Amino acid sequence: GAVVSQHPSRVICKSGTSVKIECRSLDFQATTMFWYRQFPKQSLMLMATSNEGSKATYEQGVEKDKFLINHASLTLSTLTVTSAHPEDSSFYICSARADTSSGNTIYFGEGSWLTVV
Amino acid sequence: AQSVAQPEDQVNVAEGNPLTVKCTYSVSGNPYLFWYVQYPNRGLQFLLKYITGDNLVKGSYGFEAEFNKSQTSFHLKKPSALVSDSALYFCAVREPSGGSYIPTFGRGTSLIVHP
Repeated sequence: GAVVSQHPSRVICKSGTSVKIECRSLDFQATTMFWYRQFPKQSLMLMATSNEGSKATYEQGVEKDKFLINHASLTLSTLTVTSAHPEDSSFYICSARADTSSGNTIYFGEGSWLTVV
Repeated sequence: AQSVAQPEDQVNVAEGNPLTVKCTYSVSGNPYLFWYVQYPNRGLQFLLKYITGDNLVKGSYGFEAEFNKSQTSFHLKKPSALVSDSALYFCAVREPSGGSYIPTFGRGTSLIVHP
């Protein structure tokens, strides 16, 4: 079945530094990928929609200069948290849309735990 | 606008007993409905979806869900719960038409299956 891989699964970084999270669709091409953030005991919060070859669409309240998204190819989207702060510590999840003859299904990555110290 | 409600933060059930995790939705037109499961420290895994056809949808790990249009519900069920089913379950909905494929998720329901 379709697989979406996220890397790294866990990362610890110092305040003020930047960290990049990769989201790859391993056996299908994804023109659209999504980035979510999940706080403890909260639902997923959509941060942005990543479209291959064009700028990402950010949800209201999400700082585009802080959360840089690049969807350079049909199998890779990256989320870069710039100048990270402890409040950016969270679980980040990506998903990718697979377009098949039977319809569209969204597959999720394993998620990435970011801890900013 | 589309929305999803999962009225229970937590569901407790004994192993071997049937389980139900509730979900109601609000959407314009006919909905696409999904259930996902999240195990601790893991990403979401797709369980099942309803697009059209039979109201009873069967998915992974023995789970099924019943689409009820009159009650705008899509409850997740399993006839006999396993301890390994303990996880966080998310219901999601999206509108079928238009260019957006972004689902709206419920808050999640923690399922705890006791031995």
